[in-house]
Amino acid sequence: EAQVTQNPRYLITVTGKKLTVTCSQNMNHEYMSWYRQDPGLGLRQIYYSMNVEVTDKGDVPEGYKVSRKEKRNFPLILESPSPNQTSLYFCASSGLPTDTQYFGPGTRLTVL
Amino acid sequence: ILNVEQSPQSLHVQEGDSTNFTCSFPSSNFYALHWYRWETAKSPEALFVMTLNGDEKKKGRISATLNTKEGYSYLYIKGSQPEDSATYLCALNQGGKLIFGQGTELSVKP
Repeated sequence: EAQVTQNPRYLITVTGKKLTVTCSQNMNHEYMSWYRQDPGLGLRQIYYSMNVEVTDKGDVPEGYKVSRKEKRNFPLILESPSPNQTSLYFCASSGLPTDTQYFGPGTRLTVL
Repeated sequence: ILNVEQSPQSLHVQEGDSTNFTCSFPSSNFYALHWYRWETAKSPEALFVMTLNGDEKKKGRISATLNTKEGYSYLYIKGSQPEDSATYLCALNQGGKLIFGQGTELSVKP
């Protein structure tokens, strides 16, 4: 089944403790992207990747890192999480950057 | 900072009503315009990707039009059903960089 998976689905952590949210797709898509969703602010793009080893900042990249070493994986790294990074995070992928994007199930992160 | 505006913010209709919402965006640097349907506790689900001025797309009772010269897209739902209740998002795609509108929350009462 074609899908985008994210892990973990839920995470509660403390300020400053490094964490990684994984994202994987099995559709051989070149493009992948991370978003955060906050009440009243809608979906905002954090980082995106056009292909392996090619990443670009979205609208809200501060406090996040990404890597794209393999085509199927696009992990989101929070080196030192802070409470303002408490949010619902979505990963998405598409064949080309302007194609329909397929979203993962979301990761709800709480930073205390 | 580019802004994508959606109106109205929310809409309450009766089953069977037809409805439409608007997505407005700056017309420069346009690559594509996406429409998504987003139900509570689920992931956004793609409805349409539109790239050409004058594009019209249809999926069942839902259709969309695009005017890139004036910077707007309309989404129409014909004969709304309770299962159409969701938030409808549009997003301006600038070659991989996406800017989402705040969404229109549709509630359809039986």
